[in-house]
Amino acid sequence: GDSVTQMEGPVTLSEEAFLTINCTYTATGYPSLFWYVQYPGEGLQLLLKATKADDKGSNKGFEATYRKETTSFHLEKGSVQVSDSAVYFCALSDPGGYNKLIFGAGTRLAVHP
Amino acid sequence: DAGVTQSPTHLIKTRGQHVTLRCSPISGHKSVSWYQQVLGQGPQFIFQYYEKEERGRGNFPDRFSARQFPNYSSELNVNALLLGDSALYLCASSLRLAGGVDTQYFGPGTRLTVL
Repeated sequence: GDSVTQMEGPVTLSEEAFLTINCTYTATGYPSLFWYVQYPGEGLQLLLKATKADDKGSNKGFEATYRKETTSFHLEKGSVQVSDSAVYFCALSDPGGYNKLIFGAGTRLAVHP
Repeated sequence: DAGVTQSPTHLIKTRGQHVTLRCSPISGHKSVSWYQQVLGQGPQFIFQYYEKEERGRGNFPDRFSARQFPNYSSELNVNALLLGDSALYLCASSLRLAGGVDTQYFGPGTRLTVL
């Protein structure tokens, strides 16, 4: 079945460091891809999305490019801040006709001053 | 505009009891989905409702049920609670049922603890 694999955390960085969180997927069709962020004690917030191959999603300095050839959707940010500390989830939409999301296990990011 | 709202925020139950969780979607959204997030894991899909009909069900036992009302709000019911049902239950709404193109917006969740 469809699945999402994320790099294991925690990822610990100093403020202003470069961030990459790897995400690869397995899907039988042509899914849309998403990054959601979860701050402590809160629900999920959509960070960015891409709906077709070679699309780049971007928001708040984060970006990710839908790579069909490598089935990847890696999240990057050029300079992280302490306020970016959270858990990041990569997800794909089930292309089977309804709007089900399949999530990875999440990657915890801790940014220190 | 108000986002997705869920109630209650926290809930403590004992094994064997029943629980009802509630969700109000963003105004104008007709699709509601429910997810279970066990601590340290990603959310797992439970149900999706669109226009008051069940459109998708995840791999959860029949103890889990849901419904959607004419105003598009939704309830998730869990019977005969088990310790393993302890989790954050997330509700998400989207405008339509569009094969994955529509973005789902999540509520803050209900934290259920089963003792």
